Amino acid sequence: EAQVTQNPRYLITVTGKKLTVTCSQNMNHEYMSWYRQDPGLGLRQIYYSMNVEVTDKGDVPEGYKVSRKEKRNFPLILESPSPNQTSLYFCASAFGGRYGYTFGSGTRLTVV
Amino acid sequence: DAKTTQPPSMDCAEGRAANLPCNHSTISGNEYVYWYRQIHSQGPQYIIHGLKNNETNEMASLIITEDRKSSTLILPHATLRDTAVYYCIVTWTGANNLFFGTGTRLTVIP
Repeated sequence: EAQVTQNPRYLITVTGKKLTVTCSQNMNHEYMSWYRQDPGLGLRQIYYSMNVEVTDKGDVPEGYKVSRKEKRNFPLILESPSPNQTSLYFCASAFGGRYGYTFGSGTRLTVV
Repeated sequence: DAKTTQPPSMDCAEGRAANLPCNHSTISGNEYVYWYRQIHSQGPQYIIHGLKNNETNEMASLIITEDRKSSTLILPHATLRDTAVYYCIVTWTGANNLFFGTGTRLTVIP
């Protein structure tokens, strides 16, 4: 089944403890993105990648890192999480920007 | 990217057609109209997209006016499972960022 898989689905962590949210797609998509969704603010892009080793900042990149060493994987790294990064995170992928994006099921992160 | 305007909420009776409007009066010639929906807190789901011709797939139909300043997403026979927030997004080909806005919350009523 064609899908975008995020892990974990739920995560509670403490301020300052490094964490990684994984994202993997099995559709050979070139484009991958990370979004966060917060009440009243909607979905906002964190980082995106247009191909292997090509990444760039989205609208809210502060406090996040990404890497794209393989086409299928696009992990989101929080080096030192803070409570304002408590959010619902979505990974998405697409075969080029013209086509619709496929989104993962989301990761609900709570930083205490 | 062109800005879109959607009504904040709509109701539709189960089994009837749901017609969701979107205004995008500043759309440029190479921008497409995309529709996504988000059911509760699940990941957004792509529905359909088009440039200037009407489009239909297994989920919905997209009607774009001749001047391309507005469009309508049609769910031909709405079911309870179609209750969701529907987002109209206008963006150019090759875009790497989707601006979701606030969308239309569609409630399908039994």
